[in-house]
Amino acid sequence: DAGITQSPRHKVTETGTPVTLRCHQTENHRYMYWYRQDPGHGLRLIHYSYGVKDTDKGEVSDGYSVSRSKTEDFLLTLESATSSQTSVYFCAISESKGMQFFGPGTRLTVL
Amino acid sequence: QQQVKQSPQSLIVQKGGISIINCAYENTAFDYFPWYQQFPGKGPALLIAIRPDVSEKKEGRFTISFNKSAKQFSLHIMDSQPGDSATYFCAATSTGTASKLTFGTGTRLQVTL
Repeated sequence: DAGITQSPRHKVTETGTPVTLRCHQTENHRYMYWYRQDPGHGLRLIHYSYGVKDTDKGEVSDGYSVSRSKTEDFLLTLESATSSQTSVYFCAISESKGMQFFGPGTRLTVL
Repeated sequence: QQQVKQSPQSLIVQKGGISIINCAYENTAFDYFPWYQQFPGKGPALLIAIRPDVSEKKEGRFTISFNKSAKQFSLHIMDSQPGDSATYFCAATSTGTASKLTFGTGTRLQVTL
């Protein structure tokens, strides 16, 4: 998976608890992205980063925050998880236009 | 707002047949159109991509056809094989958007023996 790891790979949590997902890359790519994948919706962009400490919102950013303190790490935080955030979360990296490389995904269940 | 519409949602094709997946877009600023392939339990992987200055791109059994005036593009899988069974996503991006991709909703392809 092009030098991208995500942790944890599976997580079950309860409504109202904070959750942090980690994406780590060894490719030194500039751009990093967080998506969620849900049936019937495809992949939707949550947040993305265009450099260390440079982040911006995607189309479904409500309830999520991100941080990127190092080139290789991009964290996604759910401040107070809700059942609607049950999903599969993918991290992706890119250095060239349109060519994104995806991690293996994190399956999150919020009870 | 669904800027890239993909159809069909699912597709069953016999081995050796042609699989065709269609996408339509609205944003005329889009200038790069990749297709991603995703197997169960895996992340999507780039399959093939096209720019709007060409009408067709072929890589092995996979071909993208592009119609700029109609704002449509399609993926053709020739001689479909059971190993092609996966979910396929079309996507689009434009210059100056930090390589952000807008994805279609996906097509689940099953190739039967």
